[in-house]
Amino acid sequence: DGGITQSPKYLFRKEGQNVTLSCEQNLNHDAMYWYRQDPGQGLRLIYYSQIVNDFQKGDIAEGYSVSREKKESFPLTVTSAQKNPTAFYLCASSIDAKFYGYTFGSGTRLTVV
Amino acid sequence: AQKVTQAQTEISVVEKEDVTLDCVYETRDTTYYLFWYKQPPSGELVFLIRRNSFDEQNEISGRYSWNFQKSTSSFNFTITASQVVDSAVYFCALCPKTSYDKVIFGPGTSLSVIP
Repeated sequence: DGGITQSPKYLFRKEGQNVTLSCEQNLNHDAMYWYRQDPGQGLRLIYYSQIVNDFQKGDIAEGYSVSREKKESFPLTVTSAQKNPTAFYLCASSIDAKFYGYTFGSGTRLTVV
Repeated sequence: AQKVTQAQTEISVVEKEDVTLDCVYETRDTTYYLFWYKQPPSGELVFLIRRNSFDEQNEISGRYSWNFQKSTSSFNFTITASQVVDSAVYFCALCPKTSYDKVIFGPGTSLSVIP
């Protein structure tokens, strides 16, 4: 079955560490997105990529980095510069968001310990 | 401004009651697309419906119905005869044509259906 796989499901980070969240899709979608979800704030866009080797900052990109070396993969690195990284992170992909919306992964819950 | 407002943060209903989730949007674009997503406790968002700005026809899908009114910039979602499985967070979302496929989400409404 086609879909988006996010791993790990739960991740614990010590202060000062970088961590990388994995997002893989086998839907052959060109566009991929990372959102952060905090209680009461909905989903906020971190980064997005519409084609391989190209990506754009979203509304809250500070303290995060991404790469898009393959169409199937869009990993997100949460760096030590991100002061409040504890949140639920959702990866999504789309063939054409206006017409088909997004397909989402099951998310990664990151906690700073 | 391009924005989605869901004024109801949390709603609780007793099973079999009807419930309406409100959504108000703002956009300067004349062409735009509206969505509803459901997020069950498992966390993954599930696509429910898409509407474009030129199609104001209301839609019904089983117990779900959507009322799109451009005059009030609203896209409300009604669940008829609610069930416990409807308990989830529901997000309304907007994709303006000029947004290059970036979807703007509302803050979500958490619905609890009590047996």
